[in-house]
Amino acid sequence: GQNIDQPTEMTATEGAIVQINCTYQTSGFNGLFWYQQHAGEAPTFLSYNVLDGLEEKGRFSSFLSRSKGYSYLLLKELQMKDSASYLCAVSYKGTGRRALTFGSGTRLQVQP
Amino acid sequence: KAGVTQTPRYLIKTRGQQVTLSCSPISGHRSVSWYQQTPGQGLQFLFEYFSETQRNKGNFPGRFSGRQFSNSRSEMNVSTLELGDSALYLCASSLDGQGGTDTQYFGPGTRLTVL
Repeated sequence: GQNIDQPTEMTATEGAIVQINCTYQTSGFNGLFWYQQHAGEAPTFLSYNVLDGLEEKGRFSSFLSRSKGYSYLLLKELQMKDSASYLCAVSYKGTGRRALTFGSGTRLQVQP
Repeated sequence: KAGVTQTPRYLIKTRGQQVTLSCSPISGHRSVSWYQQTPGQGLQFLFEYFSETQRNKGNFPGRFSGRQFSNSRSEMNVSTLELGDSALYLCASSLDGQGGTDTQYFGPGTRLTVL
């Protein structure tokens, strides 16, 4: 299978920085997405990485290393509203570009 | 621009019944994908439609089917419902443009409960 691994839960403090890691199988890799999902809501798109390196978007950054099958999502200046699940999803060439394989998600709890 | 819309938002059915869920993609988006989300299995890909044709299919039984209309709106159908089909069904649309990132944008989902 094409397992996507990420930590189940993380806790961080308001104003701090948190890094959420994701590892995936490299064979057939086509691209990697990060989504945010608040409880009871739909996933919302955060970032997309297809080349190695860091993509920065305001308080959110995402990094990719294709050779290592590794990505992370970096959240800076944490706010209470950042408490949510963060989903790592990979697109593989063999299964179709839009047939995303999702990790189980990392539930982030931001504390005051 | 309006986002992805799904109807109904909530549905309660009994075992053995069948159900049809509807999805309207973002205007201009031609690809529609369906996912099932459960606490145990997470988000799993069901199928993708483009130009009224199923382009990709996940590992789900034949009870799960779908279709797409000429205006890109899509429906999915689940026949002979089982208790395990209780889940949040999410629809996602993407532009499918040449050279684009092909980002998928999700609708609010349909919460299906099978009793």
